[in-house]
Amino acid sequence: DTEVTQTPKHLVMGMTNKKSLKCEQHMGHRAMYWYKQKAKKPPELMFVYSYEKLSINESVPSRFSPECPNSSLLNLHLHALQPEDSALYLCASSRPDRGLEQYFGPGTRLTVT
Amino acid sequence: GIQVEQSPPDLILQEGANSTLRCNFSDSVNNLQWFHQNPWGQLINLFYIPSGTKQNGRLSATTVATERYSLLYISSSQTTDSGVYFCAVVLGFKTIFGAGTRLFVKA
Repeated sequence: DTEVTQTPKHLVMGMTNKKSLKCEQHMGHRAMYWYKQKAKKPPELMFVYSYEKLSINESVPSRFSPECPNSSLLNLHLHALQPEDSALYLCASSRPDRGLEQYFGPGTRLTVT
Repeated sequence: GIQVEQSPPDLILQEGANSTLRCNFSDSVNNLQWFHQNPWGQLINLFYIPSGTKQNGRLSATTVATERYSLLYISSSQTTDSGVYFCAVVLGFKTIFGAGTRLFVKA
């Protein structure tokens, strides 16, 4: 099984809302990632968790708050977002024995109104 | 930081044609992956190829790590091959994507 799942598929939220994105994998991967992808651009790394600890934060604004409750789950909590935060948010996980080969979920398409 | 450049940026093929996509990177890396992003946004793993050559059906890839480039070959292209092809290099936990090659295969 090489599946990473993400919910919801689509999300529309206002600038004052609080919402969360969820990512799950059951492949025994110990690194999990959040990426942001704007239209016609490549994915950009936001956060990396390794063994449930935050390893990398690519200077992401604090209105994005990641959480890794256990080795299978990764959340991204959203609060007071701006319209320019509208994007495709991708989650990935990676194998420790294959040079961090990454597997991606289908993404959550977020629109901030 | 490390630079990843892909060429060509756009490519239009007639169904059945072959093509070669290139990825150049500016520094030594731990690994390199090729992905296909379909029109719905899903990134599909094509190859994990830090070095050497691999084949999977009509697709094959070669990475020459010492010369810092990788090539993706698509043979007998089909309309379902349309989409964006990304190479991504990994250094530690940091992953850097190239800008992608946007491929359209005409029937």
